[in-house]
Amino acid sequence: EPEVTQTPSHQVTQMGQEVILRCVPISNHLYFYWYRQILGQKVEFLVSFYNNEISEKSEIFDDQFSVERPDGSNFTLKIRSTKLEDSAMYFCASSEFRIETQYFGPGTRLLVL
Amino acid sequence: LAKTTQPISMDSYEGQEVNITCSHNNIATNDYITWYQQFPSQGPRFIIQGYKTKVTNEVASLFIPADRKSSTLSLPRVSLSDTAVYYCLVGDRGSGNTPLVFGKGTRLSVIA
Repeated sequence: EPEVTQTPSHQVTQMGQEVILRCVPISNHLYFYWYRQILGQKVEFLVSFYNNEISEKSEIFDDQFSVERPDGSNFTLKIRSTKLEDSAMYFCASSEFRIETQYFGPGTRLLVL
Repeated sequence: LAKTTQPISMDSYEGQEVNITCSHNNIATNDYITWYQQFPSQGPRFIIQGYKTKVTNEVASLFIPADRKSSTLSLPRVSLSDTAVYYCLVGDRGSGNTPLVFGKGTRLSVIA
């Protein structure tokens, strides 16, 4: 069964540093998403991406965040200057057509010190 | 997106059937009902989706009454590995890029 993959699985960084989280969505999917989940809290939407541009973004997705699909397979989330409160699990997801059937990756656990 | 309400937690013994009910009184005509499962430190995993009546797959069944104001996820003969958080989501399947809105879900604990 095809799956979404994410790298790295864990990332530790210093406050103020830039991080790039990588995702490889399912190959025939057209819609891509990033979500995050702070420990013990709900899964929160960050951004959706379609046709090489951002479709929708939440209030969390401020100027410190950016997304890119640099080639035909990868989808990245960049945090320019990390803050302590950016510590969370970050999940990438992709879907073909049906919005509810989003397939999630295993996540990247980001710890900002 | 329609607001959903589901129990915060449930306990069950291994081998029993578990039914988790979700209320969605404001469900719209175009909305579908979808359930996700999340294990600790993993991403949510799609379980099942339906519009009306009953849907069954290899993992679960989804029962939706005629008024569609609620739905019940049924997990047959649960095992310890079914311990997870289960989320009920309601939304329009027409657009491809609308984000999923997760609530707090139902934390199911399966006991030996």
